[in-house]
Amino acid sequence: GENVEQHPSTLSVQEGDSAVIKCTYSDSASNYFPWYKQELGKGPQLIIDIRSNVGEKKDQRIAVTLNKTAKHFSLHITETQPEDSAVYFCAAAYSTLTFGKGTMLLVSP
Amino acid sequence: DTAVSQTPKYLVTQMGNDKSIKCEQNLGHDTMYWYKQDSKKFLKIMFSYNNKELIINETVPNRFSPKSPDKAHLNLHINSLELGDSAVYFCASSHPLGGSPLHFGNGTRLTVT
Repeated sequence: GENVEQHPSTLSVQEGDSAVIKCTYSDSASNYFPWYKQELGKGPQLIIDIRSNVGEKKDQRIAVTLNKTAKHFSLHITETQPEDSAVYFCAAAYSTLTFGKGTMLLVSP
Repeated sequence: DTAVSQTPKYLVTQMGNDKSIKCEQNLGHDTMYWYKQDSKKFLKIMFSYNNKELIINETVPNRFSPKSPDKAHLNLHINSLELGDSAVYFCASSHPLGGSPLHFGNGTRLTVT
């Protein structure tokens, strides 16, 4: 089955800095790569996703890049704000989503 | 008008008891899921139903029994609760499997004492 590795497990940045979270996956058949943000006491919420026919996708301060050859994808958050503090999960799927173990992002004012 | 709602939000019970968690979605999705999130935040799929039919059943003790009365509801019943069952349980829904975003509920925190 699919195996998704996510790094780092924790990430602390100053407000205004950029944050990058990286994931690798094992199943070359995977073709859908979403990212979720989980705030305290809430369920994970989709923030951006990318499909295998696209190398990069951007939505305001958030961007995701995908390298299918190397089987890795990354989340980039620019101009971080304190409200970006949360746990972020990557995931990969051909049929069923497999999640990474999460990255706790802390943005200090 | 919450998209995926689950009740209760908190559930505290003793070992050996039987409890249920209810989930409803109003998004018109065909597929619903139960995920377990442990203390280290790891999200693991337990079950998936498509149009009331079980399609994924991961390695979960048979004390856990999902029930889907219709495609908008997926309930989780747990028999003979154990300490290790303590976790946050998330219900989610999506369009058919593969390449569709999941919409999660806000979770049920189960504490077994």
